[in-house]
Amino acid sequence: DQQVKQNSPSLSVQEGRISILNCDYTNSMFDYFLWYKKYPAEGPTFLISISSIKDKNEDGRFTVFLNKSAKHLSLHIVPSQPGDSAVYFCAASPNTGNQFYFGTGTSLTVIP
Amino acid sequence: DAEITQSPRHKITETGRQVTLACHQTWNHNNMFWYRQDLGHGLRLIHYSYGVQDTNKGEVSDGYSVSRSNTEDLPLTLESAASSQTSVYFCASSESRAGQPEQFFGPGTRLTVL
Repeated sequence: DQQVKQNSPSLSVQEGRISILNCDYTNSMFDYFLWYKKYPAEGPTFLISISSIKDKNEDGRFTVFLNKSAKHLSLHIVPSQPGDSAVYFCAASPNTGNQFYFGTGTSLTVIP
Repeated sequence: DAEITQSPRHKITETGRQVTLACHQTWNHNNMFWYRQDLGHGLRLIHYSYGVQDTNKGEVSDGYSVSRSNTEDLPLTLESAASSQTSVYFCASSESRAGQPEQFFGPGTRLTVL
């Protein structure tokens, strides 16, 4: 059973607009969350993280929001750029270990 | 620069053969992980290790094994390859959870089982 879900397989956004990628999780033991970006034929690269003691974390154009009561997190990219076109994975880790559970990914296309 | 490498990058094998995929990291990380990526499933954890001589099963460990004899390497072995194991395999490493637990990924190995 998928503990981390990304219900939108794909998303298209115009360059300069906001991209919002969503992620839901079911396990209340998850307390650390990450977003990864993946280009074709490459390994995933770490983008941004958030711990459960926060509800927001920003890094340049990227902001992650965490709603613990709804078990939902989202990644906002503002402004979106064509180079942001990639597959984005969210991942969650329980407070009991170092392993992460990944979502199925959302393919973002930023249209110039 | 520290890095994590995987070899081979591409492998074609036949059903029933034993296959070993190599993973080598120079980050000096204690934690290492193996994932497979399949359409519709994202990244699924196969095995992981928190240090030398430590190995643990992930959610899709059947048909796979790992061993950890040093800090740098975590080879993944498919004992008897099956067509269902055709996938892209990623190795990753991380520091302990008390530090920065973000995982650093290798470039992947594309395995085809005929």
